[in-house]
Amino acid sequence: DAGVTQSPTHLIKTRGQQVTLRCSPKSGHDTVSWYQQALGQGPQFIFQYYEEEERQRGNFPDRFSGHQFPNYSSELNVNALLLGDSALYLCASSGGLAGVETQYFGPGTRLLVL
Amino acid sequence: EDQVTQSPEALRLQEGESSSLNCSYTVSGLRGLFWYRQDPGKGPEFLFTLYSAGEEKEKERLKATLTKKESFLHITAPKPEDSATYLCAVRNTGGFKTIFGAGTRLFVKA
Repeated sequence: DAGVTQSPTHLIKTRGQQVTLRCSPKSGHDTVSWYQQALGQGPQFIFQYYEEEERQRGNFPDRFSGHQFPNYSSELNVNALLLGDSALYLCASSGGLAGVETQYFGPGTRLLVL
Repeated sequence: EDQVTQSPEALRLQEGESSSLNCSYTVSGLRGLFWYRQDPGKGPEFLFTLYSAGEEKEKERLKATLTKKESFLHITAPKPEDSATYLCAVRNTGGFKTIFGAGTRLFVKA
């Protein structure tokens, strides 16, 4: 049973560029949440997708957007990258028979903005 | 506003020296409290979900407990492989957002 997968594992971009990160949820899960984790901090909630709609959003600007596909996979897009966007981006899935509360995380994508 | 505070920030133990990590939380209505383990550069690994005060869950050398204001992660006779950052998080009944604490970095020396 495959867990949550994310791609790419690492990414280097320059200020002003745009980036797309991808996530495939754990088998049987239908809900995907995205988090940003700065070094030495806990994950910060960006948004959650369910039934291809953004269900709730954290305190992040509109430069951060997302999408969920019919197969429940998801993308996180960040436009006009800033140096401060450098972080580990985590995808978590939940739902289905496992219940809606407990989230399982992927390995993350490490983004470096120069 | 929902808030999670973890203490201590870092904890150094000798192998076999039992201890506890603290998670204090403020939430309008608790939907669930979660504990995760995170190794450097990796995604958090799920440990426990607790739903109501008085609940306890165990897994190997770890035991999580919950009161109305705090949760404790008790580590019995830790081993060096237990070294990691332990994250506590809460979700309230009014939404889908999960709030994480900053974590406790645990170092276990052989």
